[in-house]
Amino acid sequence: DAGVIQSPRHEVTEMGQEVTLRCKPISGHDYLFWYRQTMMRGLELLIYFNNNVPIDDSGMPEDRFSAKMPNASFSTLKIQPSEPRDSAVYFCASSAQDRVYGYTFGSGTRLTVV
Amino acid sequence: GDSVTQMEGPVTLSEEAFLTINCTYTATGYPSLFWYVQYPGEGLQLLLKATKADDKGSNKGFEATYRKETTSFHLEKGSVQVSDSAVYFCAEAVGNKLTFGGGTRVLVKP
Repeated sequence: DAGVIQSPRHEVTEMGQEVTLRCKPISGHDYLFWYRQTMMRGLELLIYFNNNVPIDDSGMPEDRFSAKMPNASFSTLKIQPSEPRDSAVYFCASSAQDRVYGYTFGSGTRLTVV
Repeated sequence: GDSVTQMEGPVTLSEEAFLTINCTYTATGYPSLFWYVQYPGEGLQLLLKATKADDKGSNKGFEATYRKETTSFHLEKGSVQVSDSAVYFCAEAVGNKLTFGGGTRVLVKP
């Protein structure tokens, strides 16, 4: 398996623009997580899905953020409109129900909003 | 809410020195515990894990023991190498929700 695949690796956008981050989890994993990493706040869980259904979105900072998982092999995190304070590295992770092998993280998307 | 506390870095060591990174958790019951490592410009990689009290996780010379009585999961390595320079994250999993500590940057000098 190629692991958790995120795209793009880097994104630079202007304030006010819409940004869409993409994630392909490991095949067979039924949990998918979106995290944000910043120097100030460390790693924050934004939202997670089980079997494509959002379970906990309490970490989503505000209404400008939305996440979807239309099928078992694809998820998106959208920010609209983007702001400079959204600049961070966004990670996607997936895991299987039994968590025997832990959570597998993607390489992340580094977002810069100017 | 649940939280994980780990020692602040950076930790600077010489090659072949002994490394300890302290980690404590607050979740009640028996959470699963993990150590992840993040190399520059990369995502987090699972280093080791333990799922019940007194379990010892080990990998690549690193070890950590699940101590229920002290709610701790300290990471140790007997002889570090320059290639161990990275940021290390302790994490607890309650159900399927993973909560991370703030990370500890380790720098190993030759």
